[in-house]
Amino acid sequence: AQSVAQPEDQVNVAEGNPLTVKCTYSVSGNPYLFWYVQYPNRGLQFLLKYITGDNLVKGSYGFEAEFNKSQTSFHLKKPSALVSDSALYFCAVRGYILTGGGNKLTFGTGTQLKVEL
Amino acid sequence: NAGVTQTPKFQVLKTGQSMTLQCAQDMNHEYMSWYRQDPGMGLRLIHYSVGAGITDQGEVPNGYNVSRSTTEDFPLRLLSAAPSQTSVYFCASSLLGDPGDTQYFGPGTRLTVL
Repeated sequence: AQSVAQPEDQVNVAEGNPLTVKCTYSVSGNPYLFWYVQYPNRGLQFLLKYITGDNLVKGSYGFEAEFNKSQTSFHLKKPSALVSDSALYFCAVRGYILTGGGNKLTFGTGTQLKVEL
Repeated sequence: NAGVTQTPKFQVLKTGQSMTLQCAQDMNHEYMSWYRQDPGMGLRLIHYSVGAGITDQGEVPNGYNVSRSTTEDFPLRLLSAAPSQTSVYFCASSLLGDPGDTQYFGPGTRLTVL
């Protein structure tokens, strides 16, 4: 079975400071990892994904994520946070072996990011 | 290209009532799915479909039915609503065949069961 852990329910950071939202995963075979963002009363928006190749993945709105196979982690980062980045962030994983379940994604419980002035 | 659309945006039901949440996509995606989002629990898969006429259960299917008669549409039916089904429901779609395919989400339906 595949699983995702987001150990922090909330992350607070000052505007202009770097931010990190943590994610660790467990999956059989090679992992396919995704980050989504959810603004209040909105659906989930895709930010970025890791499939293969370079361990540092760049995505939308200046976000990037670092894949670390030995630590089974895929932390989301941004060099300089903005107040407008305040939202709920979800990490998700899909294993390489496609079962009869097709493209099932497993989500973490989410991390609320709060960026303050 | 509207992406994934869901109706209604909000709904209040009484216990025992039935209703259908609508989901449609215009990206010709084979894979469609329904999730529910509850505080502190992330998103949990209810049902999914890998093509017209093919559906299967996710991790929390009880109390929900689905069917898929076309590629575009994937409605979710609540046969007899219960307060435990109060949640935000999201529909998502993607291509099928590559585990790196991105799932795209609709704006959600906020359901309250009294």
